[in-house]
Amino acid sequence: DGGITQSPKYLFRKEGQNVTLSCEQNLNHDAMYWYRQDPGQGLRLIYYSQIVNDFQKGDIAEGYSVSREKKESFPLTVTSAQKNPTAFYLCASSIDSRPNEQYFGPGTRLTVT
Amino acid sequence: AQSVTQLGSHVSVSEGALVLLRCNYSSSVPPYLFWYVQYPNQGLQLLLKYTTGATLVKGINGFEAEFKKSETSFHLTKPSAHMSDAAEYFCAVSVRPGGSYIPTFGRGTSLIVHP
Repeated sequence: DGGITQSPKYLFRKEGQNVTLSCEQNLNHDAMYWYRQDPGQGLRLIYYSQIVNDFQKGDIAEGYSVSREKKESFPLTVTSAQKNPTAFYLCASSIDSRPNEQYFGPGTRLTVT
Repeated sequence: AQSVTQLGSHVSVSEGALVLLRCNYSSSVPPYLFWYVQYPNQGLQLLLKYTTGATLVKGINGFEAEFKKSETSFHLTKPSAHMSDAAEYFCAVSVRPGGSYIPTFGRGTSLIVHP
């Protein structure tokens, strides 16, 4: 079955540590996205990539970094510079940069204490 | 710039009643519009989308939405609510003001269905 996988489902880290969230897709999609979801805030775009080896900052990129070395993978690193990292993180992909629907992974809930 | 407003963070209905979730958008160019559903601790799933053509769009699980340009609205409806419809619903708009079609999401509406 084609789809998007995110791992792990739950992640716990101590304050000051960097942490990397995994996102893999086997849909052969060009575009991939990372969102942060907080209660009552909807989805806020962190980073997106429309092609391998290229990515763009979204609305809330500060304290995050990404890479896109392979078409199927788009990992997100939450750095110690992110002031409030505890949140639900969603990865998504779409066929390309045209206005197609997005396919979402199951999400990773990150808790930093 | 594009924006989306979902009226009501929570909507409560009885099982069998009409479901109406409101979405208004702001865009200076013709928009592409989407409704997604999210069940607890899961990702989002597409319900329906409007790109061009027919303004009444039918989606999965009996939902439909109508694009009304004059009212800049894309409200989601379902004639009869089921308990399984209880979830968070997100409206999204996608335009291209000289750039890429990066969607903007509303803040979501939580649908509560009472027996």
